[in-house]
Amino acid sequence: QQQVKQSPQSLIVQKGGISIINCAYENTAFDYFPWYQQFPGKGPALLIAIRPDVSEKKEGRFTISFNKSAKQFSLHIMDSQPGDSATYFCAASKGSSNTGKLIFGQGTTLQVKP
Amino acid sequence: DAGVTQSPTHLIKTRGQQVTLRCSPKSGHDTVSWYQQALGQGPQFIFQYYEEEERQRGNFPDRFSGHQFPNYSSELNVNALLLGDSALYLCASSLVSGGEQVAFFGQGTRLTVV
Repeated sequence: QQQVKQSPQSLIVQKGGISIINCAYENTAFDYFPWYQQFPGKGPALLIAIRPDVSEKKEGRFTISFNKSAKQFSLHIMDSQPGDSATYFCAASKGSSNTGKLIFGQGTTLQVKP
Repeated sequence: DAGVTQSPTHLIKTRGQQVTLRCSPKSGHDTVSWYQQALGQGPQFIFQYYEEEERQRGNFPDRFSGHQFPNYSSELNVNALLLGDSALYLCASSLVSGGEQVAFFGQGTRLTVV
């Protein structure tokens, strides 16, 4: 059972544009939602994360928007750069009691064209 | 500060064989999780070790087993390898920080079963 659904599967954006990746979750017990960036041949690296008590979190060019009632969250990459070209994964886990088990989405391959 | 290190980086095994993968967590991290990432997919949680005990397990058969040592390093063992076990195996270490477990991933071990 896929508990975290991610879209789109792939995305092509022009340099300077906004990249938007969406995720939806099913389990209302999830209360920690990180985004990971993965380059070929590397492990995933944490980009930014949010808890459901806030609707938005911004770190530099990266913003997470969170809609608790819709059980959806999204990653916005502002002023996208060719160096942002990578695979992005959303994930979810249960919170403070949590064991750190992350449930990942299927991933979005982002290509930023110069 | 060394991050999460995994060995080996690549491995080729024959169907039916057994394999052991190794992980050294980030300094100060006491919890190690293992994930399997098939090509083009998000990582899937295998299990997690804390205080040398398996604390949580994902939907993987008993052929997958692990161990954590007193220095927090960990091994993943897979017996009776199947072609479908070919994947990138990721180790993540974590530490409770601000009430949440932030997971840092290694670069992974690429296992090919032929």
